Amino acid sequence: NAGVMQNPRHLVRRRGQEARLRCSPMKGHSHVYWYRQLPEEGLKFMVYLQKENIIDESGMPKERFSAEFPKEGPSILRIQQVVRGDSAAYFCASSRGTSGRQTQYFGPGTRLLVL
Amino acid sequence: KQEVTQIPAALSVPEGENLVLNCSFTDSAIYNLQWFRQDPGKGLTSLLLIQSSQREQTSGRLNASLDKSSGRSTLYIAASQPGDSATYLCAVRPWRGSTLGRLYFGRGTQLTVWP
Repeated sequence: NAGVMQNPRHLVRRRGQEARLRCSPMKGHSHVYWYRQLPEEGLKFMVYLQKENIIDESGMPKERFSAEFPKEGPSILRIQQVVRGDSAAYFCASSRGTSGRQTQYFGPGTRLLVL
Repeated sequence: KQEVTQIPAALSVPEGENLVLNCSFTDSAIYNLQWFRQDPGKGLTSLLLIQSSQREQTSGRLNASLDKSSGRSTLYIAASQPGDSATYLCAVRPWRGSTLGRLYFGRGTQLTVWP
């Protein structure tokens, strides 16, 4: 059973370009979470999605950032018109449900560097 | 708003020592608390998950305790080994509301165990 998969692992973009980060949850998991880890900081929650629904996006910047988890295919975190401050590691996690004993399994992350 | 603090930020010990990592959180209304390990350039690996009704969890040389009323958790590592070198993250999950599923992370303790 493959774990949470993220691609690309490393992404370099110039200011103003778009970044698309992909996350394939573990088999049987329908809940996806995105977190961002800025340099020298802890992981910060961004968004929580279930299939075709955004459940909680309160941690995501209102401008330039969007997320989706379609019925088929991976979850996508999209950053438009990237700026240097977007450089960070973006982690995706998935879970089977949200009961207290359901742990979140994390992917290896995508390291985004904005030049 | 939940704030999670980890002390110390970094720890360097010789192989064989027993050590304690500390985590504190400001809001005691948590669903569970989880300890993760993060290796450089890698994702997070869940080590132990403690439900709010539990006092401790053990796995091998690791023991995590939880004192919810005082907002504290400790991770005890017995007979440390160089392979334990990593960053250890503490994360709490709030009890209810729209943030169900969201984890709040500390900045981590960077542990180095030298031979």
